[in-house]
Formats: sequence, structure tokens, C-alpha cells
Amino acid sequence: QKEVEQDPGPLSVPEGAIVSLNCTYSNSAFQYFMWYRQYSRKGPELLMYTYSSGNKEDGRFTAQVDKSSKYISLFIRDSQPSDSATYLCAMRSNYKLTFGKGTLLTVNP
Amino acid sequence: EPEVTQTPSHQVTQMGQEVILRCVPISNHLYFYWYRQILGQKVEFLVSFYNNEISEKSEIFDDQFSVERPDGSNFTLKIRSTKLEDSAMYFCASDRGPPTEAFFGQGTRLTVV
Repeated sequence: QKEVEQDPGPLSVPEGAIVSLNCTYSNSAFQYFMWYRQYSRKGPELLMYTYSSGNKEDGRFTAQVDKSSKYISLFIRDSQPSDSATYLCAMRSNYKLTFGKGTLLTVNP
Repeated sequence: EPEVTQTPSHQVTQMGQEVILRCVPISNHLYFYWYRQILGQKVEFLVSFYNNEISEKSEIFDDQFSVERPDGSNFTLKIRSTKLEDSAMYFCASDRGPPTEAFFGQGTRLTVV
């Protein structure tokens, strides 16, 4: 079983839709959870960072962590064409991040 | 806003040559990292560095790789004898240490021919 599983998509939605992105993990040592956005051939850009089970909201973005199920989610409300990118989940144990493969999202005008 | 900067943005090198990738981490950060991403694959951890020592390294980070903080601002990754399979985007990252979040540079695209 891979440490971090993420559906690579692609995911295509109309502008204004609510987007749900998910990752599962198997390593109980992961304590901190992040979502990054990556445009083609660019570096990952941090969107959300959480370390406890529950929800964290920042503008149109909500990150959700369920440690008992080893499941994390990112919700994007009122999606915009500028949200089109690859979304990476990442999990931290000690001194490194373990990434999911990324979900390619396209928001159509 | 402070950012991690990497140079060069693109490097082409011949197989067997040595390359040095450079990074300037965010100034008040203490932990530095290198990750790589082969085209179409996920971002993979290479090495973490703190207090002038390697904290953790992956299986990818073999004897061909080394890291250095030659002065108070730069952080470098050296690949001694490049192979075709070293072609990838290499990302530098930094943070203030767990549990803080890591910030990434824009990457160096390394092409080995």
C-alpha cells in the first residue's frame, strides 16, 4: 500500500462549482497535512496547512482532516478558471514531506 | 513577501558531468530541503539539512549527491556524475522546523543529455 494515495484525475468542472479533492494515507506517523497548488513546471505553492482533525477555512478553501480514517480533503467553493492547476496533498513526519501524485483540475469558464 | 529563490531555472548538462544547483532559502528559516519531480511523477524527498548537517535523506540521495551551505545565505545540491535518469525538476524548500509549513522555490529544470 502506498503511503499517500491521491486520485490523479483529471477533474473538469464548470466555473462556480464546488470542488472536492481527497487523499488517503497509511502512515500513522504523519502529523501535519498540507495542500499545495502547482502550475505546470513551477514550484508547489502552499495553500493550506493543518495538524489536527477537523476543518480549517481560508477564503474559498476548506481543508478537512480525519485522522481516524487517515483521510484528508480540500474543498474549493465558487471555483474560478484561475484555480486550474495540479493540487498536491503532502504529509509531514519529522523532517520530510511525502506527497501525493497530484490531481489535475480544470475549471471551465 | 519572502520567497525561496533557485538558480539557474534551467540547466542542460552532459551525462557524467557535475552540476551544482543553487538555492537561497527564506532568511529566518533554519531547515532546508531538496526535492525532485521527474516529469509526470510525484514530488519526491531527497534530503533535509539543519545546523550544517543532514537530518534525513532518502534512498535516492546516494553518494552521487551532496549538499552544502557554503555561506549564510546559499544552499546547494551537487550531483557529481549526472545520469540520464537525473533529469527532473529540482525544488529547494525551507521552513522554521516542524511543525511549521515548508515553502518551495520555483525549481531548476535539469536536463541530462
